[in-house]
Amino acid sequence: AQSVAQPEDQVNVAEGNPLTVKCTYSVSGNPYLFWYVQYPNRGLQFLLKYITGDNLVKGSYGFEAEFNKSQTSFHLKKPSALVSDSALYFCAVRDTGGSQGNLIFGKGTKLSVKP
Amino acid sequence: GAGVSQTPSNKVTEKGKYVELRCDPISGHTALYWYRQSLGQGPEFLIYFQGTGAADDSGLPNDRFFAVRPEGSVSTLKIQRTERGDSAVYLCASSSTGTDYNSPLHFGNGTRLTVT
Repeated sequence: AQSVAQPEDQVNVAEGNPLTVKCTYSVSGNPYLFWYVQYPNRGLQFLLKYITGDNLVKGSYGFEAEFNKSQTSFHLKKPSALVSDSALYFCAVRDTGGSQGNLIFGKGTKLSVKP
Repeated sequence: GAGVSQTPSNKVTEKGKYVELRCDPISGHTALYWYRQSLGQGPEFLIYFQGTGAADDSGLPNDRFFAVRPEGSVSTLKIQRTERGDSAVYLCASSSTGTDYNSPLHFGNGTRLTVT
């Protein structure tokens, strides 16, 4: 069965510093990996996805993610954090097994960027 | 263009009452999903529609929960005999097709259900 794990409940970063939000995955077959961001009282917004190809994926708002097959990781990164990046971040994997197209989410990581 | 729309944004109901939550997906999207998000948790899958039919309802917690999508567009999630444990944010998402794994899900802002 597909699953993702986000080992950190919270990540604290100073504005202007690089940030990393960690995600590891477990899949049978090819992984289809996604990152979403959730601002307070809002739905989830799509940031980026990895399907195949380059291991470094670029997405919205200057975010990127690095796919590492040997470490089964898909960490979210940004070279220079902004206070406005503070939000809840979810890693997700597409269920290519029984539930067609369903996304399976991690528990989320709260990112706090301080001025 | 318009995104996924969910109404109401907030719903407070008494234990034992019946509630309906509505989702209006992005026009032309054939796949529609319902998720439930409890405080401090990631969204949990409830049910998936491809067109008018429920292709997978394995996430529905019990028979008090039911969802329909009669014309392949708007969907309604129905909860009978609500319990306090049903309190959560209910998220709806749509996708151009459920079988294209490249296609991301687009989420609405959710309905916050509180059962008192």
